[in-house]
Amino acid sequence: AQRVTQPEKLLSVFKGAPVELKCNYSYSGSPELFWYVQYSRQRLQLLLRHISRESIKGFTADLNKGETSFHLKKPFAQEEDSAMYYCALSVGAQKLVFGQGTRLTINP
Amino acid sequence: DVKVTQSSRYLVKRTGEKVFLECVQDMDHENMFWYRQDPGLGLRLIYFSYDVKMKEKGDIPEGYSVSREKKERFSLILESASTNQTSMYLCAGQTGGNQPQHFGDGTRLSIL
Repeated sequence: AQRVTQPEKLLSVFKGAPVELKCNYSYSGSPELFWYVQYSRQRLQLLLRHISRESIKGFTADLNKGETSFHLKKPFAQEEDSAMYYCALSVGAQKLVFGQGTRLTINP
Repeated sequence: DVKVTQSSRYLVKRTGEKVFLECVQDMDHENMFWYRQDPGLGLRLIYFSYDVKMKEKGDIPEGYSVSREKKERFSLILESASTNQTSMYLCAGQTGGNQPQHFGDGTRLSIL
C-alpha cells in the first residue's frame, strides 16, 4: 500500500540552526515526491519536487530510494520558514498521498 | 498564475443539512480534487475528477458526493451533514498527470 510518513508532528529549531524535516514513503512503483508548505493564513503551495532537483527558499530534498526517504533540509533556518510542511507521493497519474504534516517553528 | 477559488472561507451548518462546497478554477485544469485537512491526519482525498462528468472515489468518500458538470467547476456535496464532517476542506486543480496540484484557500466547515 502507498503510504507517506512524517514522524514529527512538531519541530522547533532556533534561527540560524540547520533544519531537517523527515519523510519516508512506501510505494512499489517509481516514486515521484513533493514537498508542500502552508504558511499561516495562506493556501497550501508547492515548495519543491524531487525531479526538479532545485533549491527553493534555501530548501533542498534528495530522494533516497534505498532508505525510501525524501527528507527536506535547510542549512540555516529563518523565522519566515515557520509553517506547516507536507510530504506527498504521486501514485498513478493523478493522485497524491500526503503525510500527516510537520509544524515547523523557528525560534528567534 | 493558477487560480483555484473556493466560494466560502467559513461555513456553519446544522446536522442533517445538505451542504454544497463550490470550487472553480481558471486554468483549464483537467483534474480536480477535494481533500479534508485534519490536525495529525494530514490531507485525505475524498473524491477527484479527471474530466467533466467523471469522478473517482478517494480514500474517504463515505458521506460525500461530487459533481462536475463543467470543466471549471467541481462541487463537493455532504448529503446529510454530521458533526464528524467538521473540518477544513481543500480543493485542488492539476493540469495533467504527475504535475503539481494547485490549491484553493480552503473552506472551514463547522457542523453543529
